[in-house]
Amino acid sequence: EAQVTQNPRYLITVTGKKLTVTCSQNMNHEYMSWYRQDPGLGLRQIYYSMNVEVTDKGDVPEGYKVSRKEKRNFPLILESPSPNQTSLYFCASSLSWRGHTEAFFGQGTRLTVV
Amino acid sequence: KQEVTQIPAALSVPEGENLVLNCSFTDSAIYNLQWFRQDPGKGLTSLLLIQSSQREQTSGRLNASLDKSSGRSTLYIAASQPGDSATYLCAAPGAGSYQLTFGKGTKLSVIP
Repeated sequence: EAQVTQNPRYLITVTGKKLTVTCSQNMNHEYMSWYRQDPGLGLRQIYYSMNVEVTDKGDVPEGYKVSRKEKRNFPLILESPSPNQTSLYFCASSLSWRGHTEAFFGQGTRLTVV
Repeated sequence: KQEVTQIPAALSVPEGENLVLNCSFTDSAIYNLQWFRQDPGKGLTSLLLIQSSQREQTSGRLNASLDKSSGRSTLYIAASQPGDSATYLCAAPGAGSYQLTFGKGTKLSVIP
């Protein structure tokens, strides 16, 4: 089954403790991205990747890192999480970065930083 | 920079009614526009993708239209059912952008 898989689905952590949220897709998609969703603010893009070893900032990149060493994986790294990063996070992928193709989303990771 | 607006923010209708959800965007040089459904606390499910060269796209009881010149898209749901209750989001990239910009969604409640 074609899908985008995120792990973990739920995570509670303490301020400053490094964490990684994994994202994997099995559709051989070129383009992958991370979003956060907050009440009243909607979905905002954090980082995106057009292909292996090609990443760039979205609208809200501060406090986050990403890497794209393999085509299927695009982990989101919070080196020193803070409470304002408490949010619902989504990973997405699409076949091409050229913008003509459908975006598929993971089931989300609900992160709470205390 | 692309801006996407969805009106109304919430809508409540009786079961069986046909309804229209609206989406407007500021940058009309879009590659495509996509409609999603989101259930509470869940991920986004893609409903329909309309390419810039298309005017309509249909899937079952759903029909999405796109008018680039006016910067508008509509999602028509026929014969609504309680199971259609969810938040509906539209998203579009901007000109020369690979980044999807989302509207804040319309929360639909279909009352049995």
